[in-house]
Amino acid sequence: KNQVEQSPQSLIILEGKNCTLQCNYTVSPFSNLRWYKQDTGRGPVSLTIMTFSENTKSNGRYTATLDADTKQSSLHITASQLSDSASYICVVRLPNDYKLSFGAGTTVTVRA
Amino acid sequence: DTGVSQNPRHKITKRGQNVTFRCDPISEHNRLYWYRQTLGQGPEFLTYFQNEAQLEKSRLLSDRFSAERPKGSFSTLEIQRTEQGDSAMYLCASSSPPPATSGQETQYFGPGTRLLVL
Repeated sequence: KNQVEQSPQSLIILEGKNCTLQCNYTVSPFSNLRWYKQDTGRGPVSLTIMTFSENTKSNGRYTATLDADTKQSSLHITASQLSDSASYICVVRLPNDYKLSFGAGTTVTVRA
Repeated sequence: DTGVSQNPRHKITKRGQNVTFRCDPISEHNRLYWYRQTLGQGPEFLTYFQNEAQLEKSRLLSDRFSAERPKGSFSTLEIQRTEQGDSAMYLCASSSPPPATSGQETQYFGPGTRLLVL
């Protein structure tokens, strides 16, 4: 079983609307949890990073939250734009380990 | 462009042929990673180099796969006798040791090489 599960698998939203993506993980403790954005045919790009003790981090219109008690993280996209159409991947790094555990991603499609 | 680069971006080959991919990391990065990503899934770890030393190989990396980083700079990933199941995006990432202040390492990904085995 994957250590990182994401939901929904995909979603479609209208331009200007908000959306929230979910990530449930079993790895605990961890070194950090990141959200990556991956455009079609491109490599992932880091959006936010949170350590085990942090519970929120923002990067422009992207806000990530972390609840270590429930082992959940979310990524909130505010006022979506067409360029937000991409796959968003939740990634957990184990302590003292360079390897990353990736979720399968949520594919977001923003329509005009 | 000083990011991670990968070549070729796309490769179509027939089953049984050998293919080789190249990754050029960010110049000052001594760590280099290869991942494989299939459609609708997150990347899966294949192997890791620190300088020229290959420190870990995933069990996903069968004996048909070989990776090298001869001078501690660019890396190559070769797949021999390709199979249709090898069709995937092959991603390379590089990083440098995390700063002492934050202890957080950031892996920077290249654009990937998309392989299609017919």
